[in-house]
Amino acid sequence: EPEVTQTPSHQVTQMGQEVILRCVPISNHLYFYWYRQILGQKVEFLVSFYNNEISEKSEIFDDQFSVERPDGSNFTLKIRSTKLEDSAMYFCASRRGGGYGYTFGSGTRLTVV
Amino acid sequence: GIQVEQSPPDLILQEGANSTLRCNFSDSVNNLQWFHQNPWGQLINLFYIPSGTKQNGRLSATTVATERYSLLYISSSQTTDSGVYFCAVEGNNAGNMLTFGGGTRLMVKP
Repeated sequence: EPEVTQTPSHQVTQMGQEVILRCVPISNHLYFYWYRQILGQKVEFLVSFYNNEISEKSEIFDDQFSVERPDGSNFTLKIRSTKLEDSAMYFCASRRGGGYGYTFGSGTRLTVV
Repeated sequence: GIQVEQSPPDLILQEGANSTLRCNFSDSVNNLQWFHQNPWGQLINLFYIPSGTKQNGRLSATTVATERYSLLYISSSQTTDSGVYFCAVEGNNAGNMLTFGGGTRLMVKP
């Protein structure tokens, strides 16, 4: 069964540093997403991406965050200057289109120290 | 935006017992999925079920869209069923995204 692949699985970074989280969505999927889950809390929507542009974003997705699809396969989330409160599990998801389910990757656990 | 409430928040079962988890949502939906978050934090898709009933082994789910709820049934529970179960919905009027409920934390004791 096709999978959404995320790398790295764990990342530790110092406060103020930039991080890039990487995702390879399923190849025939057209919609891409980032979600995050702070430890012990619910999973929260960050941003959706379609046709090479952001289609929706939440209040969490401020100017410190950006997304990019640099080539035909990768989908990245960049946090420009990390804060302690950015520590969370970040999930990438993709789907083929409306009327289809979302497939989630295994997540990247980001720890900001 | 759409509200998603799950109950109970916590559940402890003895191995072999059956359980029902509930998800209520505040608006009509295009999409509803149930996920199991395992101890490693991975979100495992259990069901894509915007309406109707589906079964997969010991698990089954029913969504009654007109009454805005979904149920996840776990029969003959096993210790490996432990973890957090999330319901997530895409509202008809809530944009192109899933909104997650707060989850039900299940512990199955041997």
